[in-house]
Amino acid sequence: GAVVSQHPSWVICKSGTSVKIECRSLDFQATTMFWYRQFPKQSLMLMATSNEGSKATYEQGVEKDKFLINHASLTLSTLTVTSAHPEDSSFYICSASGLAGELGGELFFGEGSRLTVL
Amino acid sequence: AQSVTQLGSHVSVSEGALVLLRCNYSSSVPPYLFWYVQYPNQGLQLLLKYTTGATLVKGINGFEAEFKKSETSFHLTKPSAHMSDAAEYFCAVSDGYNFNKFYFGSGTKLNVKP
Repeated sequence: GAVVSQHPSWVICKSGTSVKIECRSLDFQATTMFWYRQFPKQSLMLMATSNEGSKATYEQGVEKDKFLINHASLTLSTLTVTSAHPEDSSFYICSASGLAGELGGELFFGEGSRLTVL
Repeated sequence: AQSVTQLGSHVSVSEGALVLLRCNYSSSVPPYLFWYVQYPNQGLQLLLKYTTGATLVKGINGFEAEFKKSETSFHLTKPSAHMSDAAEYFCAVSDGYNFNKFYFGSGTKLNVKP
């Protein structure tokens, strides 16, 4: 099946620094990627929808300047948490869907990235 | 707008017992429905999905779910629980207009007792 890979799996950073998380579709072209945030013992909260070659669409309440999303190619989207603070500590998960009509409408998820901001 | 309700944030069953995880959705158009499983510190893995056709869908690891339009439900079942089934399960529905946009339920944590 289709594989989505995230990197890094774990990252610890100091408050005030920026962290970049990568999401790659390894064996298919992902026209759309999604970024989710998951708080402990909670469901996934959609942060933004990322379309290749265009600006990301952010959900209400998500700070665009805080969470920078770039989808420069059909296989790579990045999430940059800028000037991270302890409250940004969370589990970030990306997902990807294939070209229209392909892959059965399924979303494929990355392994997730655990961010801890000290 | 779509919404997904999972009844019971925690479900506990004995090994070998029936597993039933409930999911109800609201959707103004025929949805795509999914069940995902998440193990600690991992992403989500698809168990099964319903798009069109047969309403009883079989997935991996012996799980199945039935789409009941009249009840707007998509409950997940497994006849006999294994210890390895202990995980968190999420029901999801895709937007009927934008099938790429998913809405997730709050999740049900399944505990399997020996």
